[in-house]
Amino acid sequence: EVQVLESGGALVQPGGSLRLSCAASGFTFNTYSMTWVRQAPGEGLEWVSSVTDSGGDTFYAVSVKGRFTISRDNSKNTIYLQMNSLGVEDTALYYCAQGGIGSTGLIVWGQGTRVTVSS
Amino acid sequence: QSVLTQPPSVSAAPGQKVTISCSGSSSNIGDRPVSWYQQLPETAPKLLIFDNNRRPSGIPDRFSGSKSGTSATLAITGLQTGDEADYYCGAWDSRLRAAVFGGGTKLTVL
Repeated sequence: EVQVLESGGALVQPGGSLRLSCAASGFTFNTYSMTWVRQAPGEGLEWVSSVTDSGGDTFYAVSVKGRFTISRDNSKNTIYLQMNSLGVEDTALYYCAQGGIGSTGLIVWGQGTRVTVSS
Repeated sequence: QSVLTQPPSVSAAPGQKVTISCSGSSSNIGDRPVSWYQQLPETAPKLLIFDNNRRPSGIPDRFSGSKSGTSATLAITGLQTGDEADYYCGAWDSRLRAAVFGGGTKLTVL
């Protein structure tokens, strides 16, 4: 069964940092792009970042560029999202998804990990 | 303000058909495949349609997608109360070099 499982969400103060992880199983991890999507309370979906299958290319939303870094470790079937300079606007449920939003779509989603930025 | 525009809400009776529109531009829908996602209350989104009109395994054929020019449409036939959810369209935008979603459409089955 294809699964992705996020972890690392927490309550953090404004200006702080956090690293999210997403462990994948049930598919050939190094042949798929991977994506982070977030959803603020009561709001819609917002794409955050994607990384290609090899990790050679990364893409970011304007709202997080320069603050967030996506990476992957294909030996561990895991992707990461390093989040720095967090602001209250980053408060959201962060989902990890298999695939990119291109031809395959975001195939399988995790249950999300919650990030709350508050003093 | 989302790059892709969806109606905030649609409604129809059980057994009826409903369509949800998604309007974009030449740099996203006009140029790239569209996908659709269903988010039931308090759950993670699920892929319904990819590559404009293809269904993943396990998605019933009551759900269908189409695209024309810079607009895409999700159609749901034989509506069931279990279809009440938020629906999102998504695509890659080649000008922004970013993925973009619609603002979401809340489906109510009356």
